[in-house]
Amino acid sequence: QVQLKETGPDLVQLTQTLSITCTVSGFSLTTYNVHWVRQPPGKGLEWMGAMWNGGGTDYNSAFKSRLSISRDTSKSQVFLKMNSLQTDDTAKYFCAREVGNYPGVFDYWGQGVMVTVSS
Amino acid sequence: DIQMTQSPASLSASLGETVTIECLASEDIYSNLAWYQQKPGKSPQLLIYYANSLNDGVPSRFSGSGSGTQYSLKINSLQSEDVSIYFCQQNYDSPWTFGGGTKLELK
Repeated sequence: QVQLKETGPDLVQLTQTLSITCTVSGFSLTTYNVHWVRQPPGKGLEWMGAMWNGGGTDYNSAFKSRLSISRDTSKSQVFLKMNSLQTDDTAKYFCAREVGNYPGVFDYWGQGVMVTVSS
Repeated sequence: DIQMTQSPASLSASLGETVTIECLASEDIYSNLAWYQQKPGKSPQLLIYYANSLNDGVPSRFSGSGSGTQYSLKINSLQSEDVSIYFCQQNYDSPWTFGGGTKLELK
């Protein structure tokens, strides 16, 4: 069955870099696009970026040049890396699979990893 | 970026009641609208895509409608397990954007 699981730190220091891994199973990264979405505590959802099945990427300009998404298809893993973290980057970070025929619609989500940025 | 505005922000309803949640896009999104349900502490789950297509396994009491800039999610015969936060999301143009959410509680 389709599964996504995020792993990463609980706590990151102010101005440091966040690295999260999304490990997927039940589908191929060369067939489906995988996205990153975050949710600050008690707030709404914010799309961050995507890894396309062909290997390209797309980013929300709100994150300017802070965000980088990459993958290792041999390990079925997608990576999020974001630098210069601030306290308002405290959020739960989700990876999600895109529905095959509907760009930007997410049919399977990981459980998320809650990251706190501490000063 | 396309702005998505949901209303109401919170809603209290009784078991068996019908509830409707509205979503307004800042521009025409040509039915490229999805609805998600998020239970406390869980990840969002896709309910509806392309404004009115029910995702696999979603109960038929959920339905979506709308066009242009105005969309709605209707829940018929409210059940206790429907207590959640509901988000709309446009997938017409990147960056994909979400509404602020509607918190549905039982009265």
